[in-house]
Amino acid sequence: DMKVTQMPRYLIKRMGENVLLECGQDMSHETMYWYRQDPGLGLQLIYISYDVDSNSEGDIPKGYRVSRKKREHFSLILDSAKTNQTSVYFCASRQDTGQLYFGEGSKLTVL
Amino acid sequence: DAKTTQPDSMESTEGETVHLPCSHATISGNEYIYWYRQVPLQGPEYVTHGLQQNTTNSMAFLAIASDRKSSTLILPHVSLRDAAVYHCILRVADYTGYQNFYFGKGTSLTVIP
Repeated sequence: DMKVTQMPRYLIKRMGENVLLECGQDMSHETMYWYRQDPGLGLQLIYISYDVDSNSEGDIPKGYRVSRKKREHFSLILDSAKTNQTSVYFCASRQDTGQLYFGEGSKLTVL
Repeated sequence: DAKTTQPDSMESTEGETVHLPCSHATISGNEYIYWYRQVPLQGPEYVTHGLQQNTTNSMAFLAIASDRKSSTLILPHVSLRDAAVYHCILRVADYTGYQNFYFGKGTSLTVIP
């Protein structure tokens, strides 16, 4: 069963706290993505990972970092979260044919 | 730089056939056209994709213009479950040759009972 799992689904943090969003996939896909989506906007690309320890900045990497130590796991880290990082974050993995599989999203609120 | 242009919203009645347009005037010869749909509180879901030829699957029919500068996603006999935001995106390669996907705001499809 092809699935991308994100944890946690909902998270509330105070400004300045650290945030860890985790993403797992069971398809052995090499390429994975982190996006954020704000109301009324499209998905903005934060980071791409091409495989273990092979990551590349997307369009809006500032304030974020990522970690990929195993092919099936891709983490998004916010060191000292800011209120403007309140958003819904989506993880995706890419099949060889090009099709993306998305997780259900992680809604982060930074107070 | 979304590279595609779609209407913000469209409306249809249950049972009708819906035509969702997408303009991609600067598409490159090796770029695929992908369609995803997204319902609230969920991530986008793959619908279909194509390069030059029209394609069809159980979800939709994708019509691609002969010059590839536009495409239309056709949803036959829509139901309430088809209400979603439909994203038309291009599979582009970044400078390393790998593949980025750029999502715009998409078209919000409302289906009226």
